[in-house]
Amino acid sequence: GEDVEQSLFLSVREGDSSVINCTYTDSSSTYLYWYKQEPGAGLQLLTYIFSNMDMKQDQRLTVLLNKKDKHLSLRIADTQTGDSAIYFCAESGMNSGGYQKVTFGTGTKLQVIP
Amino acid sequence: DAGVTQSPTHLIKTRGQQVTLRCSPKSGHDTVSWYQQALGQGPQFIFQYYEEEERQRGNFPDRFSGHQFPNYSSELNVNALLLGDSALYLCASSLGGRQPQHFGDGTRLSIL
Repeated sequence: GEDVEQSLFLSVREGDSSVINCTYTDSSSTYLYWYKQEPGAGLQLLTYIFSNMDMKQDQRLTVLLNKKDKHLSLRIADTQTGDSAIYFCAESGMNSGGYQKVTFGTGTKLQVIP
Repeated sequence: DAGVTQSPTHLIKTRGQQVTLRCSPKSGHDTVSWYQQALGQGPQFIFQYYEEEERQRGNFPDRFSGHQFPNYSSELNVNALLLGDSALYLCASSLGGRQPQHFGDGTRLSIL
């Protein structure tokens, strides 16, 4: 079945850039997403990219997609303490019934050191 | 513009009991998906509702059932609760199941 993998933990200093990486296995993925989860909260959609794109920039966020290697990354420029959270990578592919099925990774905990 | 709302926020039950969780989708959305997020894990897909029908289902037993109402709101029912059902239950909505999903803040269910 589909699988999404992420490293568990990343620690950066405030003001530096953070890069969170993700690999996935589903070659039929159509959308790839990044969600942010703060303690006690649900998932906040940060950004997403279509599988036919290789880059998307949205203010401090840059998403890079290497479809050949099935590798997705999220770069956060000028990381702030408010960016401390768990970041989930997710991919959306078509299941056998013809519907979009979303698979999440286990999340990367980003710790920002002041 | 109201986002996805879930109720209740927290719930404590004992083994063997039954529970009903509720979700109102984001305005304009017609598809509701439910996920279970165990501590330290990513969300696991339970099922998806569209036009009041269960359209697709993840690898969860029949103890997990749901319903969607004509106003697109949805309920998740879990029967014969087990300790392992303790988790954060997340509802997500989208338009036609093809847009990015938007999540609520979840219901934290604790089983004693």
